[in-house]
Amino acid sequence: AQTVTQSQPEMSVQEAETVTLSCTYDTSESDYYLFWYKQPPSRQMILVIRQEAYKQQNATENRFSVNFQKAAKSFSLKISDSQLGDAAMYFCAYRRRVEYGNKLVFGAGTILRVKS
Amino acid sequence: GAVVSQHPSWVICKSGTSVKIECRSLDFQATTMFWYRQFPKQSLMLMATSNEGSKATYEQGVEKDKFLINHASLTLSTLTVTSAHPEDSSFYICSAIPSGSRDTGELFFGEGSRLTVL
Repeated sequence: AQTVTQSQPEMSVQEAETVTLSCTYDTSESDYYLFWYKQPPSRQMILVIRQEAYKQQNATENRFSVNFQKAAKSFSLKISDSQLGDAAMYFCAYRRRVEYGNKLVFGAGTILRVKS
Repeated sequence: GAVVSQHPSWVICKSGTSVKIECRSLDFQATTMFWYRQFPKQSLMLMATSNEGSKATYEQGVEKDKFLINHASLTLSTLTVTSAHPEDSSFYICSAIPSGSRDTGELFFGEGSRLTVL
């Protein structure tokens, strides 16, 4: 079974600084998706960034970028120029690509606090 | 992006009553939807996979008679918490996968429903 591990229960970052959230996963599959979701206090799940395993290039979305290391099964999220609105719980998630209807497997989450 | 609407966003009920939560995909069809439960500061726990026109698949440890799931159309899945008790109080979230070629990997989430059982 696939598992996702987030080893940082909480992280803090100063406004305008950079922070990296860690995520490792375990799978025997070669084709899959990886995601980072943000859950602010409203509890609405928001997709931050998505990576397809067959793509070697790391995904980026404005201030958010990932370091995808397929061999090491590592998928960290870097947030640059942190803003107060980035404060939230962040979940790393995995989904098999093959077959329709596969579920997301979530990590335990990391609470990110942004200090002004 | 695709929109999933969940209703009600919060509900308070008396112990022993049943509560229904709806999850609708507003601008796409979803053969598969998922129901999660989340406790404060914890991750989302998958309860069941809801498939249109067939029985839901429940995760181990989830009581199927307590949490009834119906996916009668390609845009609507419902979760009914039967004979609710205080321990059922939680935050429930649904998500949906667009059907067929519109599945690009991402799941779309509803806003969540906070259930409080008195």
